[in-house]
Amino acid sequence: DAKTTQPPSMDCAEGRAANLPCNHSTISGNEYVYWYRQIHSQGPQYIIHGLKNNETNEMASLIITEDRKSSTLILPHATLRDTAVYYCIVRDHYNQGGKLIFGQGTELSVKP
Amino acid sequence: EPEVTQTPSHQVTQMGQEVILRCVPISNHLYFYWYRQILGQKVEFLVSFYNNEISEKSEIFDDQFSVERPDGSNFTLKIRSTKLEDSAMYFCASSDRVGLYEQYFGPGTRLTVT
Repeated sequence: DAKTTQPPSMDCAEGRAANLPCNHSTISGNEYVYWYRQIHSQGPQYIIHGLKNNETNEMASLIITEDRKSSTLILPHATLRDTAVYYCIVRDHYNQGGKLIFGQGTELSVKP
Repeated sequence: EPEVTQTPSHQVTQMGQEVILRCVPISNHLYFYWYRQILGQKVEFLVSFYNNEISEKSEIFDDQFSVERPDGSNFTLKIRSTKLEDSAMYFCASSDRVGLYEQYFGPGTRLTVT
């Protein structure tokens, strides 16, 4: 089962930052935090991942707390196309099978 | 940009029939996956495949399911005798290495069993 807790839904105004929280209080030292999103029944799309340092790429920023028990995905300037279900997933670096275990995620609605 | 492709986009079949869902992973990728998503539910892992072998499979992936990489480009999921509860969106994914990597997902095949 998924080891993360996310709010089921959130709203965000277009052009504003969307901050999506995730709790992973049982995360272990080998586990990374990954974020994927799924736009309207399309295939999931990778966004970003991190271990303990904050990470940024062209899509988003990932802020991980010092105790690593929670994290926040930040979409700095949300657009209508960012409306999707966002999944926070913790994965063992040494998971040779590579499976992703999806939870219910957070349904983000970006409104004009 | 390279992408994972899947065919067909929608497959309708009668209960008890065999179906084969096809995927073309990204060309230099070595690890392949199938997931499914029943309407309104979460994405579920089915199976991972590397070096012509199944690496891991879930409880869902029972004897009715099989996977194959018949040539250098295709990756297939076969369901031998479909049931109504197999109706779902099936996603193929691939990645180029194990460990820290992202999985690239295809657009999915919607399977409807009547």
